[in-house]
Amino acid sequence: AQKVTQAQTEISVVEKEDVTLDCVYETRDTTYYLFWYKQPPSGELVFLIRRNSFDEQNEISGRYSWNFQKSTSSFNFTITASQVVDSAVYFCALSEGSYNTDKLIFGTGTRLQVFP
Amino acid sequence: EAGVVQSPRYKIIEKKQPVAFWCNPISGHNTLYWYRQNLGQGPELLIRYENEEAVDDSQLPKDRFSAERLKGVDSTLKIQPAELGDSAVYLCASSTGGFQETQYFGPGTRLLVL
Repeated sequence: AQKVTQAQTEISVVEKEDVTLDCVYETRDTTYYLFWYKQPPSGELVFLIRRNSFDEQNEISGRYSWNFQKSTSSFNFTITASQVVDSAVYFCALSEGSYNTDKLIFGTGTRLQVFP
Repeated sequence: EAGVVQSPRYKIIEKKQPVAFWCNPISGHNTLYWYRQNLGQGPELLIRYENEEAVDDSQLPKDRFSAERLKGVDSTLKIQPAELGDSAVYLCASSTGGFQETQYFGPGTRLLVL
């Protein structure tokens, strides 16, 4: 069955520290997509990145980077030099290609608090 | 380009009362989703529309929940009657359709049932 696990419930760091948010997924599909979303206190889910199952290249966008490893079914997210504005709940999500489901399976989220 | 619009942002009602949420997706997005997010959890899909057709409503509690998307654009989700356990954030999302496409979310409606 499909599942996304974010084992870290809450992480606290001081500004400028690097932080990595873990995401482990389960799927029997060979074709799937993985996503990360940010949910600030305002409540809206903000899209950060999409990665398909055939592309294991790591990606960097500014202070954000993502490490996708199919061998360990992980899609981890690193923020370099964290800032107070990074404080939010971050969700990892899975979308599978079979069965015409077209829905996102979310993890339970990791709350990141960045202190000045 | 305007994002997904939802209203109201907040709603407080007493149990057994009806409530409705409205969503207007991003222009050109034919697929619309309603998710429910309980406190401390990730969102879970309630219903998915492709144009005006509900193609996946398997997780919608049909005894009290209903939804419509009559002209294939905006959508309304209704609960009647509301129960205490319905307190949650109701999120609307839209996409161009397909598991590979990115879903874009609205700000959500935070419902509190007393």
